[in-house]
Amino acid sequence: QQQVKQSPQSLIVQKGGISIINCAYENTAFDYFPWYQQFPGKGPALLIAIRPDVSEKKEGRFTISFNKSAKQFSLHIMDSQPGDSATYFCAASTTYYGGSQGNLIFGKGTKLSVKP
Amino acid sequence: DVKVTQSSRYLVKRTGEKVFLECVQDMDHENMFWYRQDPGLGLRLIYFSYDVKMKEKGDIPEGYSVSREKKERFSLILESASTNQTSMYLCATAVTGRTEAFFGQGTRLTVV
Repeated sequence: QQQVKQSPQSLIVQKGGISIINCAYENTAFDYFPWYQQFPGKGPALLIAIRPDVSEKKEGRFTISFNKSAKQFSLHIMDSQPGDSATYFCAASTTYYGGSQGNLIFGKGTKLSVKP
Repeated sequence: DVKVTQSSRYLVKRTGEKVFLECVQDMDHENMFWYRQDPGLGLRLIYFSYDVKMKEKGDIPEGYSVSREKKERFSLILESASTNQTSMYLCATAVTGRTEAFFGQGTRLTVV
C-alpha cells in the first residue's frame, strides 16, 4: 500500500514533442505528490509538486495532472528539449505535523531522452 | 540556497570493512534522510532522523546504522560492508511541515 508505481521505465521523445510519465498510488493518506528531476552525476531536485485539492498544476512547460478518484498523477513536459533529458521520479508522502517528517515514497524512475 | 554536502563522490571499500558516509547540511533543517539508489529500483529509504540523536528505520535498514550527534550532520554506517551494498547513496534534508527534500550529489560506493 506504500508503493508508488511509475511508468514507463524509459522514454524517447523527439525535440518539440510531449513527454508523459505516469504514476499510480494506493495509500489514500498521501497528500503531497512531487516530481523530482535528476541529471547524471547529480542528486534529484524538486521539479514541481501538487496537493490533492487541485487537479492540475502548471509551471512553464511542466504540468502535473492529478486524478484523485483513480489515484493517479502524471507529468507532462510540453515542447520537450534535449536539456530535459534526465531521470524523473514521482513521489508521494503524508504530511505529519508536530512530529516526524512525512517520508517520501519514490517511484522507480523514468529515464527520458529527448532527441534533437 | 540549501547546501547538502556528502563527504565523498566515489568510494571503494573491501568486503567486511566498516564504512562511514557523511552528510552535512547548512540550512538548519530538522529532518535528514539516507536513501539508496539502484537502477530499476528507484530511491529506497534506509534511515531518517527528525532531530538530534533521534533516528527511525526506513524501508531497508538491514546492514546499516546511523548517527546524528549534531543537527547539521547525519552519518550512515555500514558495520561490515558487503558486495550487495554497492550502490549510490543519497543524503537529503527537509524542514518539518514542508515536504520538499533537498538532496546531496550522492556517494557512489563500490564494495569489492
